[in-house]
Amino acid sequence: EIVLTQSPGTLSLSPGERATLSCRASQSVTSNYLAWYQQKSGQAPRLLIQGASSRAPGIPDRFSGSGSGTDFTLTISRLEPEDFAVYYCQHYGITPPHSFGQGTKLEIK
Amino acid sequence: EVQLVESGGGLVQPGESLRLSCAASGFTFRDYWMSWVRQAPGKGLEWLADINGDGSQTFYVDSVKGRFFISRDNALHSLYMQMSSLRAEDTAVYYCTRENWVKDYWGRGTLVTVSS
Repeated sequence: EIVLTQSPGTLSLSPGERATLSCRASQSVTSNYLAWYQQKSGQAPRLLIQGASSRAPGIPDRFSGSGSGTDFTLTISRLEPEDFAVYYCQHYGITPPHSFGQGTKLEIK
Repeated sequence: EVQLVESGGGLVQPGESLRLSCAASGFTFRDYWMSWVRQAPGKGLEWLADINGDGSQTFYVDSVKGRFFISRDNALHSLYMQMSSLRAEDTAVYYCTRENWVKDYWGRGTLVTVSS
């Protein structure tokens, strides 16, 4: 079973700044089957990125994903007020379990 | 427009059972795997179970194996989770999701509270 560890636990930044969130896997993620989700307070999660780097439909281009193997990154180039939320990575593929990372809370500084 | 609407949550006592439902619309339901994900209060996301399009394959996280049962009715465009022997640690918001390799659509969730 792949265990995903996200860092930092909390990231405090100001609007307009660049955010870099990390997701590290305990073993190599097959075919870069790594997704990122955003969850705003009181809402369901929303898919942002799949395949480590492909934005889901409707996701602004300030969101980008990168990485391969065991190390993945979600970057938000210029933070907007609506981007402050909790972000989760998840690996997926043919065989479950499809575990999530523990999340990174992005808060306003 | 894809919509997933969960129902069936509520307050139950430890040891009791509950059945959650998820009504799907806006897509060809039988063509997609579906899953349940939960989130305990103030905690992260936990994948619980997957089911394939015709209901012949299911997968579960170890913590609910033998207690939770995922099923679907393609004629009714509905997904279900039968939960038994509920424990306090099962208290969470339960989300229904569509599987398109990733969880590309989520419902708003239904809250299950297990307490005496």
